Amino acid sequence: EDQVTQSPEALRLQEGESSSLNCSYTVSGLRGLFWYRQDPGKGPEFLFTLYSAGEEKEKERLKATLTKKESFLHITAPKPEDSATYLCAVQASYNFNKFYFGSGTKLNVKP
Amino acid sequence: DGGITQSPKYLFRKEGQNVTLSCEQNLNHDAMYWYRQDPGQGLRLIYYSQIVNDFQKGDIAEGYSVSREKKESFPLTVTSAQKNPTAFYLCASLPGLAGGPHEQFFGPGTRLTVL
Repeated sequence: EDQVTQSPEALRLQEGESSSLNCSYTVSGLRGLFWYRQDPGKGPEFLFTLYSAGEEKEKERLKATLTKKESFLHITAPKPEDSATYLCAVQASYNFNKFYFGSGTKLNVKP
Repeated sequence: DGGITQSPKYLFRKEGQNVTLSCEQNLNHDAMYWYRQDPGQGLRLIYYSQIVNDFQKGDIAEGYSVSREKKESFPLTVTSAQKNPTAFYLCASLPGLAGGPHEQFFGPGTRLTVL
């Protein structure tokens, strides 16, 4: 069964304390893996697309990496404004219509 | 500015009542999606449409209905058959399935509460 699992469910960091979020997937054939940021009561905001193992993308304090079975979202020296829920989604190569979402990691960065 | 709009932001439904959530996009995207989000859970697909006048059921379509009469619009009706409709509803669009992969663009969401 195609599945996306994110860990941890919640993460509390002090400002400046770097860490990583994990997204593991079991789809057979990856077309694309997507990271989104979601603030409370709002729609997800697109961050990155990854589609081949070894690929890396960066944006400000965020860096996303991809292997054959998982992706990491590294947060370097986070700030309180980075607090949000981070969602991972996978699109399978055999069915372009569907996107499989993980349940998200809720990040709280304290000043 | 191009984007996706959803209305209303908050919606309250009485028992036995049908309600319709609006989703409009001016991105000229072909595909549109409806998701349901419950606390602590990932987004679950209700319906999607790749083209005007065509749509397919997602994983949790029971108790919901949609229409796609125009490229820009994809309204979702929550019927009285949906027994637990309280949730956050998200509409998304996608440029198309050729090329890519392409990311989905999301609207701001509608929070539906059953009274």
